[in-house]
Amino acid sequence: DVKVTQSSRYLVKRTGEKVFLECVQDMDHENMFWYRQDPGLGLRLIYFSYDVKMKEKGDIPEGYSVSREKKERFSLILESASTNQTSMYLCASSFLETQYFGPGTRLLVL
Amino acid sequence: QKEVEQNSGPLSVPEGAIASLNCTYSDRGSQSFFWYRQYSGKSPELIMFIYSNGDKEDGRFTAQLNKASQYVSLLIRDSQPSDSATYLCAVNTRTTYSGGGADGLTFGKGTHLIIQP
Repeated sequence: DVKVTQSSRYLVKRTGEKVFLECVQDMDHENMFWYRQDPGLGLRLIYFSYDVKMKEKGDIPEGYSVSREKKERFSLILESASTNQTSMYLCASSFLETQYFGPGTRLLVL
Repeated sequence: QKEVEQNSGPLSVPEGAIASLNCTYSDRGSQSFFWYRQYSGKSPELIMFIYSNGDKEDGRFTAQLNKASQYVSLLIRDSQPSDSATYLCAVNTRTTYSGGGADGLTFGKGTHLIIQP
């Protein structure tokens, strides 16, 4: 079974804090993705990575950065958290086109 | 920009009936189609995928694809209250970057399904 894990299920941060969300997959997948999901807006792609140290912007990269130093780990960084980044963050990894999601991190920025 | 459209619902279906969920997509070149189920507060989980025109059955679930009409559907037979969830349709995309390309998915916003006991 594919296993994608995320470092936290719930997180509360203050405006201006630097926030790290981590994602680990155990299936040696090349591609990994970060999405955010908000009511009425669906899943929106923030960044994806197709190889170690490689990254590409998704549809809404502003205010975010990513890091992929090892194949199994993909980190999402909020450089200076803002209240409009309160959301559910979902990580996925893929074999070919099929994506498998982690459990999600619900982030609240106060 | 590639689009995937779903009726947001809620779609209310009596227990034991057939639930029919529909999805249209804009890119005629799309080749792979996926259905995910997402319970409230949880992450999406893959139900099934379909590549070829026609029907594909897996237990109580049947995916139907009509590429000429750019239409994908998911039928759930003998609906159970545990099927109540949001169902996301997804279509393959190919993103190119310097040196290559990567496969991704474009998701619809989902249909909220309620199975009434």
